[in-house]
Amino acid sequence: DTAVSQTPKYLVTQMGNDKSIKCEQNLGHDTMYWYKQDSKKFLKIMFSYNNKELIINETVPNRFSPKSPDKAHLNLHINSLELGDSAVYFCASSGWDGARGEQYFGPGTRLTVT
Amino acid sequence: SQQGEEDPQALSIQEGENATMNCSYKTSINNLQWYRQNSGRGLVHLILIRSNEREKHSGRLRVTLDTSKKSSSLLITASRAADTASYFCATAHTGANSKLTFGKGITLSVRP
Repeated sequence: DTAVSQTPKYLVTQMGNDKSIKCEQNLGHDTMYWYKQDSKKFLKIMFSYNNKELIINETVPNRFSPKSPDKAHLNLHINSLELGDSAVYFCASSGWDGARGEQYFGPGTRLTVT
Repeated sequence: SQQGEEDPQALSIQEGENATMNCSYKTSINNLQWYRQNSGRGLVHLILIRSNEREKHSGRLRVTLDTSKKSSSLLITASRAADTASYFCATAHTGANSKLTFGKGITLSVRP
């Protein structure tokens, strides 16, 4: 009964490909996020959705397109992958909006672009 | 930048000792949160302290917040080898649509 799950856990692909990462939460939360963690462990928010509505888009290249089919799911599609996209991507959810409460993180998806 | 900055960057202690980690930030906050990340895993929320609070406890964890100095500390008492992980402070600034801004993390190693 994982709270926040992501698939796949590992993703190895070549430059120029398009890939998707899926995220699901079973906590009943209204707010979901995507974060990117680089090789130095620096964690930066990419997107925030509240009840399927985009709230934060943190100047992420438009090759990254989040999609929220319902409030329990927030998927991340990445077009034309670049070497610099290699990182660990974390999905998170919260019962609070506006970072007013704790966030629950998924296990991460390690993306390697070759 | 509102980014929290932790220090030290790395900390190595003996099991049973206390570990103190510090975080400083630059702008007004709504709350400050500490997270733990074990190697290869996602972040786990440890404790949240609101801007009108000065100290909170949770088990072996004690967090303080000094808004006048824009700083926080996380104390882990009687450390265990299982506490070995990276610890991040994250700040939520005031205002609508606030986001969590994470520091670079502190690597804690607890030697058995």
